[in-house]
Amino acid sequence: GAVVSQHPSWVICKSGTSVKIECRSLDFQATTMFWYRQFPKQSLMLMATSNEGSKATYEQGVEKDKFLINHASLTLSTLTVTSAHPEDSSFYICSAGGGTYNEKLFFGSGTQLSVL
Amino acid sequence: KQEVTQIPAALSVPEGENLVLNCSFTDSAIYNLQWFRQDPGKGLTSLLLIQSSQREQTSGRLNASLDKSSGRSTLYIAASQPGDSATYLCAVRGDSGGYQKVTFGIGTKLQVIP
Repeated sequence: GAVVSQHPSWVICKSGTSVKIECRSLDFQATTMFWYRQFPKQSLMLMATSNEGSKATYEQGVEKDKFLINHASLTLSTLTVTSAHPEDSSFYICSAGGGTYNEKLFFGSGTQLSVL
Repeated sequence: KQEVTQIPAALSVPEGENLVLNCSFTDSAIYNLQWFRQDPGKGLTSLLLIQSSQREQTSGRLNASLDKSSGRSTLYIAASQPGDSATYLCAVRGDSGGYQKVTFGIGTKLQVIP
């Protein structure tokens, strides 16, 4: 199957700082990438959908100015949590689809963010 | 709005037992349904993908069925092993045009006891 690489796996930061998470499709071109957030004992919740070369589409209740998404190439999307606060602490995971794998979604390994 | 429910929330079985995990969804207009496995603090591993036109898919000891009209899917695990211990997620992809949205269930946490 396809490989989606997500980096970093975990990050601890101080309140008020910004954190960037990268999601790369290693062996296929991902025309669309999705960003999810998962709080403990809850299901994965879609935050936004990003298409290469265009602005991301955010789900209701997700602040687009706080969670900046960039999908500048067919193999890379980034999520930047700006001015992070403790309530942003969560597990963030990306998925990618498109090209020859346009029916199955492949997921990164996730990033555990802890904001102190 | 699509809602996905998984029952049971947690399951503990002795090694070697066969088991069934259940997933139900409220909107039957789906594109496909995918079962994933998630290990603690890690990403998702795709197990099986069933297209809306299919009834079941099999991979090794795993068999997933889909009854779209009733909004149900089951994941059958044969001869369970301790390595099967993980959280199993059901994800439904909508059929509303464009790049269809995926809705996840909360998962079933499985523990297989040696």
